Amino acid sequence: DAKTTQPPSMDCAEGRAANLPCNHSTISGNEYVYWYRQIHSQGPQYIIHGLKNNETNEMASLIITEDRKSSTLILPHATLRDTAVYYCIVSKGAQKLVFGQGTRLTINP
Amino acid sequence: GAVVSQHPSRVICKSGTSVKIECRSLDFQATTMFWYRQFPKQSLMLMATSNEGSKATYEQGVEKDKFLINHASLTLSTLTVTSAHPEDSSFYICSAREPHRPPFSETQYFGPGTRLLVL
Repeated sequence: DAKTTQPPSMDCAEGRAANLPCNHSTISGNEYVYWYRQIHSQGPQYIIHGLKNNETNEMASLIITEDRKSSTLILPHATLRDTAVYYCIVSKGAQKLVFGQGTRLTINP
Repeated sequence: GAVVSQHPSRVICKSGTSVKIECRSLDFQATTMFWYRQFPKQSLMLMATSNEGSKATYEQGVEKDKFLINHASLTLSTLTVTSAHPEDSSFYICSAREPHRPPFSETQYFGPGTRLLVL
């Protein structure tokens, strides 16, 4: 599976949009981009995933560049409860998820 | 939908004893289940993949005789840590996937985790 690169930490003000970047320059054509988050001492929570097109659900939006080498997770109106470690993972159909170090997002009041 | 539970949520045991952790998919049939381990301030590491009715596939470096996995039904997988030692103290997390039914086929859904402390 392709590797991903994420900034180790980010801060965002409460109520603002949080934009979390992820680079996956070696992604292959049949690999999906998955985003999970882990709040302290809990299991990871699925957020969203996509292949080529941008995706949106009740939690977030996923913007994938045309060349698919990078993506951005957008939390439109961040709240304090969105403070967590966010993982960007590239995988073929979730058969095997390899977790990197993720981005520690802190939402500030 | 897509709820995965684990039991117990935390357990303390003496060195040398065995501990069993249960992972259940509550609203879908999990043909495939995964077991991860997470040490403090580290990321999740995949230990093994199990398919219902067959032997688990272990990742390199994970002792299959120490970490026994049983996936006897479509909704239950168990991880038994045999002869536990303090270095086995960790956060154990399972996930489940139903390969043949979207949207459950398209991602893994994780349980809340089990914190094991071996004294």
